[in-house]
Amino acid sequence: GESVGLHLPTLSVQEGDNSIINCAYSNSASDYFIWYKQESGKGPQFIIDIRSNMDKRQGQRVTVLLNKTVKHLSLQIAATQPGDSAVYFCAENMYGYNKLIFGAGTRLAVHP
Amino acid sequence: DAMVIQNPRYQVTQFGKPVTLSCSQTLNHNVMYWYQQKSSQAPKLLFHYYDKDFNNEADTPDNFQSRRPNTSFCFLDIRSPGLGDAAMYLCATSREGTGGYEQYFGPGTRLTVT
Repeated sequence: GESVGLHLPTLSVQEGDNSIINCAYSNSASDYFIWYKQESGKGPQFIIDIRSNMDKRQGQRVTVLLNKTVKHLSLQIAATQPGDSAVYFCAENMYGYNKLIFGAGTRLAVHP
Repeated sequence: DAMVIQNPRYQVTQFGKPVTLSCSQTLNHNVMYWYQQKSSQAPKLLFHYYDKDFNNEADTPDNFQSRRPNTSFCFLDIRSPGLGDAAMYLCATSREGTGGYEQYFGPGTRLTVT
């Protein structure tokens, strides 16, 4: 059968609170970053992206912050809802390479 | 709706029995990717096609092969599945590979090896 995976870090929040999920990326040459949401048994779903010439980008209820100096990416979710419960992955793309490098993932658990 | 479709959603195979997973896309994207994802882990890229150009990851076992007969379809062949190959297999597409383009994922195929 499937081997036992690593234990994912978990962020537990109350419904209605704001959530912040952090990610350290690996390559200073990366110039494009994505946050994906993955619900149990489903494929990753795009949430928001940001290019390296920006340090902040906002979507509906979500904001991504990029700090290139320390190679750090964060995802902020406003007014977190039970439907936000999932595993969140950051991913980086280095210009000239046809692939994304995924971070380890964070499980977000939203409690009523 | 344009999308990435994977069939079957669940596949059971026996140890050592070849299995093929399929992926199709209606997005007309140039790049198609195959990932392996094990429980509580990030997706791991196995290989990708840029148009007809095949690109294997250095650590992808020879047991895994892929075919892309046309723009819309891509197949993952596992020649002799072992118990360690049980995982979720994800197909993804992107319009281009370089310059930063979103990858669109299919729902995945859950492979069980008995």
